[in-house]
Amino acid sequence: AQSVTQLGSHVSVSEGALVLLRCNYSSSVPPYLFWYVQYPNQGLQLLLKYTSAATLVKGINGFEAEFKKSETSFHLTKPSAHMSDAAEYFCAVSRNAGNMLTFGGGTRLMVKP
Amino acid sequence: EAGVAQSPRYKIIEKRQSVAFWCNPISGHATLYWYQQILGQGPKLLIQFQNNGVVDDSQLPKDRFSAERLKGVDSTLKIQPAKLEDSAVYLCASSLVAGAVDTQYFGPGTRLTVL
Repeated sequence: AQSVTQLGSHVSVSEGALVLLRCNYSSSVPPYLFWYVQYPNQGLQLLLKYTSAATLVKGINGFEAEFKKSETSFHLTKPSAHMSDAAEYFCAVSRNAGNMLTFGGGTRLMVKP
Repeated sequence: EAGVAQSPRYKIIEKRQSVAFWCNPISGHATLYWYQQILGQGPKLLIQFQNNGVVDDSQLPKDRFSAERLKGVDSTLKIQPAKLEDSAVYLCASSLVAGAVDTQYFGPGTRLTVL
């Protein structure tokens, strides 16, 4: 079985500050890991994905995440927050076969001016 | 390229009534997924289709939920009868490649309220 834990259901940062959203996973096999963003009343949009290539993955909108096997983590970062980054962020894991995603509970990012 | 389409966007029904949701995936995408997203939680997979066959429906409450994907394109998810705890956003997603890890593209969802 696989699972995802996102530490902090709400994170608040000031505009221009570092964004750090935490994700830890458990998986019995080498995982594939994803970060999705959800804006109000919209579906989920892929930010980035890790598929066993480079451990540092760059995504859209200036986000990146680093896969750390020893820590079973895949934290999402952005050097400088923008107001437009305010949204809900979901970490997800899938096995190789079937592409079935297991999502974490989500982290709501708030950006203060 | 058109995205995943879903309708209706919002639906309000009373408990014990029936409801159906429709999804049209991105053209050419072999795999289609239905997720249930309860307020404050991450999406939970209900059912996955590969073309018009079911790959996984282990988390689908089959006593009240049903889904079909006719001709491997559009899909319909039905709830009959609905319960209060079915209030959620129902998300449809599709991916191009069957049977492998691939990006899933999500529709805007249908928000169901059961009174």
